[in-house]
Amino acid sequence: DAGVTQSPTHLIKTRGQHVTLRCSPISGHKSVSWYQQVLGQGPQFIFQYYEKEERGRGNFPDRFSARQFPNYSSELNVNALLLGDSALYLCASSLGATAYNEQFFGPGTRLTVL
Amino acid sequence: AQSVTQPDIHITVSEGASLELRCNYSYGATPYLFWYVQSPGQGLQLLLKYFSGDTLVQGIKGFEAEFKRSQSSFNLRKPSVHWSDAAEYFCAVGAQGTALIFGKGTTLSVSS
Repeated sequence: DAGVTQSPTHLIKTRGQHVTLRCSPISGHKSVSWYQQVLGQGPQFIFQYYEKEERGRGNFPDRFSARQFPNYSSELNVNALLLGDSALYLCASSLGATAYNEQFFGPGTRLTVL
Repeated sequence: AQSVTQPDIHITVSEGASLELRCNYSYGATPYLFWYVQSPGQGLQLLLKYFSGDTLVQGIKGFEAEFKRSQSSFNLRKPSVHWSDAAEYFCAVGAQGTALIFGKGTTLSVSS
């Protein structure tokens, strides 16, 4: 079975631009979570979506938004990019919406903002 | 506020030696605790988790961890380290839903 997939693998943008990152969960998984991992730090929770509804939001500005589609894939959007948005963006999927459900992480999208 | 502290930024262990990575957490209720490993260019892989019950939990790749409520700790151990264990290790506590709060990580180097 395919694991969690993310696209693109790498992305370079300039300040002020907009970016869309995509995530396809493991087949049958209905929950998708997004994390930001700045170099040298642990991942930081951004959003959780379950059955197309937002179930959790981390401490990120409104420039960050996400959505989940009927096939449970998800997009993370970031507007008005700042240099500090440069990071590895990780997507994780799980069967259910609680911590009891093991999360499986994708390889991430490396975003560089110049 | 919920938080996770991994006191050791970088640890070097000789191949075949034992390993212990430290993790301390701050959480109001009974915590859900996790250890993940991240190799270069790879996503995070779950090594083990603790929800309740036996405080010594076994994971994959020969890892184990012990939950000590009195010390707010969840240290990861392995009796004999292999060169392939060199990676970044993250301790995490479960928050609302599937949200995880991660520590800053410990980089493990293995010397021959």
